[in-house]
Amino acid sequence: QVQLQESGPGLVKPSETLSLTCTLSGGSMDSKYWSYIRQPPGKGLEWIGYVFSSGSTNYNPSLESRVTISLDRSKKQYSLKLTSVTAADTAVYYCARGYHTFDVWGQGTVVTVSS
Amino acid sequence: QSALTQPRSVSGSPGQSVTISCTGTISDLGTYNYVSWYQQHPGKAPKLIIYDVTERPAGVPDRFSGSQSGNTASLTISGLQTEDEADYYCCSYAGSYTALFGGGTKLTVL
Repeated sequence: QVQLQESGPGLVKPSETLSLTCTLSGGSMDSKYWSYIRQPPGKGLEWIGYVFSSGSTNYNPSLESRVTISLDRSKKQYSLKLTSVTAADTAVYYCARGYHTFDVWGQGTVVTVSS
Repeated sequence: QSALTQPRSVSGSPGQSVTISCTGTISDLGTYNYVSWYQQHPGKAPKLIIYDVTERPAGVPDRFSGSQSGNTASLTISGLQTEDEADYYCCSYAGSYTALFGGGTKLTVL
């Protein structure tokens, strides 16, 4: 059974960098797209971007200047870095498999931006 | 990119049918047949219930069905059950390898 698990700090200071890691278990990263999606409190879902198994990436144009997603196939992990965060980046962050259809999701991790 | 447009809420009684709409533009729904729908219960991760407009993943009841006409996709839930009460989100491929979600619809089962 394919499972994803997010990990990382739950609190980030304004202007700093948010860093999260997603770990895959029970499956392979080969020939798949791996995305991050976020959900601010009480609001809808927003696709952040993906990394393909080859390492190629693509990002939501609204976040592109601040986002980097990278892959470590040996660890079966992929990571999100979001720079210069503000309170508007406070959200539940999910990792998910796919890039327009998301069939496997992590449980989500809450990240709060606050001093 | 603006979020796809969904009604904020819909409601129905057990056994009834409800339909949730998802409206986009010619740049997303109007061009691509890659619409997916997700069910999200409070405090839980979203769950894929429809993909490629009409397809259901294994294990999703056939009470859930999807359709699309032009710039609008729809999710219909027939034979409503209390456990269907949740938030529902549509998502579309938006070109250039990007995805766009709807704002979400809260389904209340009366």
